[in-house]
Amino acid sequence: DAGITQSPRYKITETGRQVTLMCHQTWSHSYMFWYRQDLGHGLRLIYYSAAADITDKGEVPDGYVVSRSKTENFPLTLESATRSQTSVYFCASSTRGTGYYEQYFGPGTRLTVT
Amino acid sequence: DQQVKQNSPSLSVQEGRISILNCDYTNSMFDYFLWYKKYPAEGPTFLISISSIKDKNEDGRFTVFLNKSAKHLSLHIVPSQPGDSAVYFCAATGTYKYIFGTGTRLKVLA
Repeated sequence: DAGITQSPRYKITETGRQVTLMCHQTWSHSYMFWYRQDLGHGLRLIYYSAAADITDKGEVPDGYVVSRSKTENFPLTLESATRSQTSVYFCASSTRGTGYYEQYFGPGTRLTVT
Repeated sequence: DQQVKQNSPSLSVQEGRISILNCDYTNSMFDYFLWYKKYPAEGPTFLISISSIKDKNEDGRFTVFLNKSAKHLSLHIVPSQPGDSAVYFCAATGTYKYIFGTGTRLKVLA
């Protein structure tokens, strides 16, 4: 399927567990992003990547790890999940990192940490 | 410190009337502004953008106005339709990445 996909769509995990959220895009966009959406905060950038093997922190990177070995994949790992990481996570891709270049968002992953 | 603010969490408008969604920002270095629309259980989708060198951009029923001196932008939807009911996010970008506002939930009443 063309576009940007995320898996799983829903995930429940326990505090302290490691969990990985997957993101895959078929456009060969250079830039990929991870956001979390929380009430009262809108979308906040966790990490972004300008190309394979190039990643950088966003506004709220603590507790998260990313990697990008292939252009099309950008997994997000919560090394030891905490309840404060309960959120909806969106992956996005774009041809550029700033400017009028729109971002294409995946459908989101709803993560609940118990 | 919220650099992009949407102070109205919700807005209700009658079908056929104008919807006006507002967004304020604090960083004068932002050079592009974008609006995204989000339906439940879906990711945001791009709606319209404007460069800081312009004060208006129009695309069909959607118009974005930018007032740089006031650091304010607004999205006008005319006429509003029930299918426009969604959460709208404004976003700003400059030398850093995109900064999103907290969103405004628009409900268009039939």
